Amino acid sequence: SQTIHQWPATLVQPVGSPLSLECTVEGTSNPNLYWYRQAAGRGLQLLFYSVGIGQISSEVPQNLSASRPQDRQFILSSKKLLLSDSGFYLCARQGVDTIYFGEGSWLTVV
Amino acid sequence: DAKTTQPTSMDCAEGRAANLPCNHSTISGNEYVYWYRQIHSQGPQYIIHGLKNNETNEMASLIITEDRKSSTLILPHATLRDTAVYYCIVRVARSSNTGKLIFGQGTTLQVKP
Repeated sequence: SQTIHQWPATLVQPVGSPLSLECTVEGTSNPNLYWYRQAAGRGLQLLFYSVGIGQISSEVPQNLSASRPQDRQFILSSKKLLLSDSGFYLCARQGVDTIYFGEGSWLTVV
Repeated sequence: DAKTTQPTSMDCAEGRAANLPCNHSTISGNEYVYWYRQIHSQGPQYIIHGLKNNETNEMASLIITEDRKSSTLILPHATLRDTAVYYCIVRVARSSNTGKLIFGQGTTLQVKP
């Protein structure tokens, strides 16, 4: 089966602290990978996508960055978190004809 | 990718069919209609997609108008567990570069006992 693992599932971080959210994918090679964010009460916003190792495209200017050090690993990072970075972060991968999502990581910046 | 328009919210009685409309008047010839749903605090779940013909799977049916400018997702026998936000998205199925999904606000479906 093709599975998406995200961790941590829940995270509470102080303002100004760093962030690292990890996503790994099983059962597929060279997938397109995506990071989405959902702020409280709002829709899903595409943040980054990657078509291969080291290839990152940013969809919106922001305080976050992404990296893809390995084919099946996608990392979302920040050097200094802002309150506005709070939200539900979802990793996704391209399937044959659609996109599949992980279970998400809840980030609360306090 | 073309933009979609959906009602903000809908109610449905348990056991009845839920019909969720979507307008996509600017859809291109190579764009598919996709439906996802998101149950609270979970990742979006793929439901169904189609290009021109009506489609049916174990979860739902998708009815696409002949001019492809609108579609309807049908949950034939809604249950309380179908309460979720339903997203209608149009995109190229096999994009030459990214295949990314652009989500709108979706329709919040409330299934009531």
